[in-house]
Amino acid sequence: AQSVTQPDIHITVSEGASLELRCNYSYGATPYLFWYVQSPGQGLQLLLKYFSGDTLVQGIKGFEAEFKRSQSSFNLRKPSVHWSDAAEYFCAVGNQGGKLIFGQGTELSVKP
Amino acid sequence: GAVVSQHPSRVICKSGTSVKIECRSLDFQATTMFWYRQFPKQSLMLMATSNEGSKATYEQGVEKDKFLINHASLTLSTLTVTSAHPEDSSFYICSAPPDRGLIGYTFGSGTRLTVV
Repeated sequence: AQSVTQPDIHITVSEGASLELRCNYSYGATPYLFWYVQSPGQGLQLLLKYFSGDTLVQGIKGFEAEFKRSQSSFNLRKPSVHWSDAAEYFCAVGNQGGKLIFGQGTELSVKP
Repeated sequence: GAVVSQHPSRVICKSGTSVKIECRSLDFQATTMFWYRQFPKQSLMLMATSNEGSKATYEQGVEKDKFLINHASLTLSTLTVTSAHPEDSSFYICSAPPDRGLIGYTFGSGTRLTVV
């Protein structure tokens, strides 16, 4: 069955520290992978996506993610977190048909 | 870029009434629209897929008669929650893949439905 797992429900980091949010997926075919960010009461904003090619993907707001097929992972990273990065982060896997399967989400808190 | 406009952003209704949520693709044609529901502190769950000119496809466990979906044109899809109950209170979000072959999955801004 297709699924996405974000093992960490809540993560707290200090401002300026590095960040890594984990995402593992189970998918029968070559996956299209996404990371979205959601602020409270808001819609989703796409941070980055992976379809093919270079396994290290650069996104907006200084985020990057690395696709590791052998580990079925697509972890999101940022070298230095800003207080404005506090939000809910969702990893998702999809196919060309457009249907997305989301992970449970990771809530990021940033300490001053 | 591709934009999906979703209205209303918030709505409060009484139990037993119906609420319509609209999603419009502003600068592209959306032949497909996905409707998701998100309960507080939970992930997004796909409810149904609407296709212009044909019946919507519902996910398992989603009541077709309760959540009416109409894809009236290439730029408009609507979700109507009929005979709403408090347990229908949730955050509803639509999403459309752009029609230029770029799989961007543009999302609407969401609708917070509260049934009292």
